[in-house]
Amino acid sequence: NAGVTQTPKFQVLKTGQSMTLQCAQDMNHNSMYWYRQDPGMGLRLIYYSASEGTTDKGEVPNGYNVSRLNKREFSLRLESAAPSQTSVYFCASSEGLGPQPQHFGDGTRLSIL
Amino acid sequence: LAKTTQPISMDSYEGQEVNITCSHNNIATNDYITWYQQFPSQGPRFIIQGYKTKVTNEVASLFIPADRKSSTLSLPRVSLSDTAVYYCLVVFNTNAGKSTFGDGTTLTVKP
Repeated sequence: NAGVTQTPKFQVLKTGQSMTLQCAQDMNHNSMYWYRQDPGMGLRLIYYSASEGTTDKGEVPNGYNVSRLNKREFSLRLESAAPSQTSVYFCASSEGLGPQPQHFGDGTRLSIL
Repeated sequence: LAKTTQPISMDSYEGQEVNITCSHNNIATNDYITWYQQFPSQGPRFIIQGYKTKVTNEVASLFIPADRKSSTLSLPRVSLSDTAVYYCLVVFNTNAGKSTFGDGTTLTVKP
């Protein structure tokens, strides 16, 4: 089982460019999440999806949009990238929104110049 | 949202037991306490979760006192491979989207 797969693993963008980060899980989980992690800090929730067809804002949603394409896939889009969005982005999934363990991908390292 | 406070870093030696304490003074009745481990260049990995008293699994134990305002992750007989960042997370029972990661504790295990 692959678990949670994120693509790409690395990306460099110029300020103002757009980009979609892809995430897919093969565990038949209902809930999915997007986090960002800045150097030396914990993870901050950007958006989450309780189930297919629903999305909600997390702690730091500004500058991002998401799409829950189907049960497996949850994408994160930066419409106009800014240097402040340079970070490592993690996708996670869990069976539901309750206190079930979240399973994380290995991250996308995004640099915006 | 219940905020958590952990020590920034801890050092230990191989074979020792390590206890990492997390403070969560404003934990709510329906909140659970969850711990994750993160290695460099990897996503966090679930370790253990509990609501009250003591929980034990094959890798760790979690101690939660009656007032639930703190919790302690116990790692028995650590090895070099346990060097990682450990996050304490308070998870709302019906909406994990309301939980917040703190800055974690960097555990360094020395030979």
